This record gives sequence, C-alpha cells and structure tokens, in this order.
Amino acid sequence: DPKIIQKPKYLVAVTGSEKILICEQYLGHNAMYWYRQSAKKPLEFMFSYSYQKLMDNQTASSRFQPQSSKKNHLDLQITALKPDDSATYFCASSQDWALYEQYFGPGTRLTVL
Amino acid sequence: GEQVEQLPSILRVQEGSSASINCSYEDSASNYFPWYKQEPGENPKLIIDIRSNMERKQIQELIVLLDKKAKRFSLHITDTQPGDSAMYFCAAGTGANTGKLTFGHGTILRVHP
Repeated sequence: DPKIIQKPKYLVAVTGSEKILICEQYLGHNAMYWYRQSAKKPLEFMFSYSYQKLMDNQTASSRFQPQSSKKNHLDLQITALKPDDSATYFCASSQDWALYEQYFGPGTRLTVL
Repeated sequence: GEQVEQLPSILRVQEGSSASINCSYEDSASNYFPWYKQEPGENPKLIIDIRSNMERKQIQELIVLLDKKAKRFSLHITDTQPGDSAMYFCAAGTGANTGKLTFGHGTILRVHP
C-alpha cells in the first residue's frame, strides 16, 4: 500500500485558474515538504512543515499556499496558474524536520496551458 | 543559499564496472547528504545517506564518501547492473529550522550489458 498519497496523478489547467494538489502520508511522520521538479530545474524545495507549522518557505510567489488541515496532510494551493508552473510536484515527509530521511510521494504532474 | 554541483551529468559504464558521481557544496553548515535514485516517471527514492560525523558509509554495492574539508561527497556503485540505470541526485541539508534539501542537477547513469 502506498504510504504517501498524492492526488491527482496528472492535472491539466488553463492559465489563470486555481488548483489544489493533495498530499497525505501514512508513515506517522511529523514533517512534510513540497518540492517541484521541472525540465529547467532539478528538485527544488518549496515548503517545509513540522507539526502543522510552517518551517520554511522558499517560493518567491504568494500564489503558492500550503494548507495543513491534519498532521498527515499537506495540500498545495496554486492560484493564477502560469505555463511556467508546469512541473511535477512532489510531496515528501520525514520523521522530523532535522536531519531525518525524507521520503517522496509519487508526484502530481501539472500542465498549464 | 546552499548550492550543490553534481558531475557528470551523463555517465555510461559497462555492466560489472564501477560508477562514480561527485558532488560539491558551498555551505559549511550542511551536515546531511542523501542520495536519491529516480527512474523515468517515478518518484525519487532514497538509496543511501551520510551525515557529517562520518567519512564513509556502505550499503551493499553503494559507497558514499564525505570530505568535509573539501566540501565534497561522492557516490560509488560497484559491480553495476543494468537495473542501476537511472537518474541519480545528490543533496545537502543543514536541518537548521528548515529540513530543506538542496539538490544537484542529477546524473543519468546508463549501464550497458
């Protein structure tokens, strides 16, 4: 059974629209993360959360907003989508935020037309 | 912020030989260095990691070396097999109130029979 679930697996959106990427982990971890991977950039850190509190935000745009309704959930809301937002978004988790192994979910591939 | 350089970008080896991937980092505060393997269309999978209190770590055919003075670390795969063909990423993390991992640009490893 997958321990980190990301929904949907594929997502197509039009420029200017808003989407929410879902992530749930069943590893009992306390820290969760979002990374982005595109053809232009390698795996790029976006956010980290620990016990549902934001630890770090490395995104330059407020269009990206993480949302944590439960300790094992960390969704990513993206507003005013642009074609440059096209990428695979990976959710990851670790036992704790400090120097613990991070495990990646299967990813959501977002295409913005 | 931290920058991680990874070389080579493409590595072709014969089955049964060794493969080596080298990474360097800038931030002397970095103290956690994981390696991930990613196959096409899949998520990155943690294969081995090393912390700054170690110089060498081995898991089966995988060897990681860390030279803190030179700010370099490397992955060595001994007795390569076609199944080792994939993209490999190195990363560096400080753990300091963030959990952020900074990734290299990746190395495509091709193991030829």
